[in-house]
Amino acid sequence: DGGITQSPKYLFRKEGQNVTLSCEQNLNHDAMYWYRQDPGQGLRLIYYSQIVNDFQKGDIAEGYSVSREKKESFPLTVTSAQKNPTAFYLCASRRGDLGYGRTGELFFGEGSRLTVL
Amino acid sequence: QQQVKQSPQSLIVQKGGISIINCAYENTAFDYFPWYQQFPGKGPALLIAIRPDVSEKKEGRFTISFNKSAKQFSLHIMDSQPGDSATYFCAASTYNFNKFYFGSGTKLNVKP
Repeated sequence: DGGITQSPKYLFRKEGQNVTLSCEQNLNHDAMYWYRQDPGQGLRLIYYSQIVNDFQKGDIAEGYSVSREKKESFPLTVTSAQKNPTAFYLCASRRGDLGYGRTGELFFGEGSRLTVL
Repeated sequence: QQQVKQSPQSLIVQKGGISIINCAYENTAFDYFPWYQQFPGKGPALLIAIRPDVSEKKEGRFTISFNKSAKQFSLHIMDSQPGDSATYFCAASTYNFNKFYFGSGTKLNVKP
């Protein structure tokens, strides 16, 4: 089955530690996204990538970093600089950014819930 | 500044009733307006989407109404069922889909 796999599903972190959330897709999608979800605030964009080896900051990128070395992988690192990292993190992908087959549908993973102790 | 404003925050509807969720936007460059459905502990999934060249789109019990001049769009769920209980998000994007802006979400509870 094709889809997006996020891991871990739950993660606990002590203050001052960096953590990396994994996102892997086997949909052969070009574009990938990281969103943060907090109660009552909807989904806010952290970073997005339209193509391998390229990514752009979203609206709340401070305290986060990403890499896109492979088409199928887009890991997110939550650094100690992120002031309030406790949240539900969602990874998404989208097909066909390079013209043919372009569609607006985002496919989401099941999320990773990060709690800072 | 919130690009897409969504209301209400929560909604309780009786089984068989109509659920209506509203969204408004400011950026006239937005060209694509999807609605996503999210169940607890899961990621959102696309429910239905509309482009501004039509005023309405219907898929089964779900209908999007779009008012370009008012910069508003809404989701109507006809004959609401308990299985529709979920959080619904509206969103907007420009034609290139580079960035999607989501509303704050509406938690729908359909009472049996």
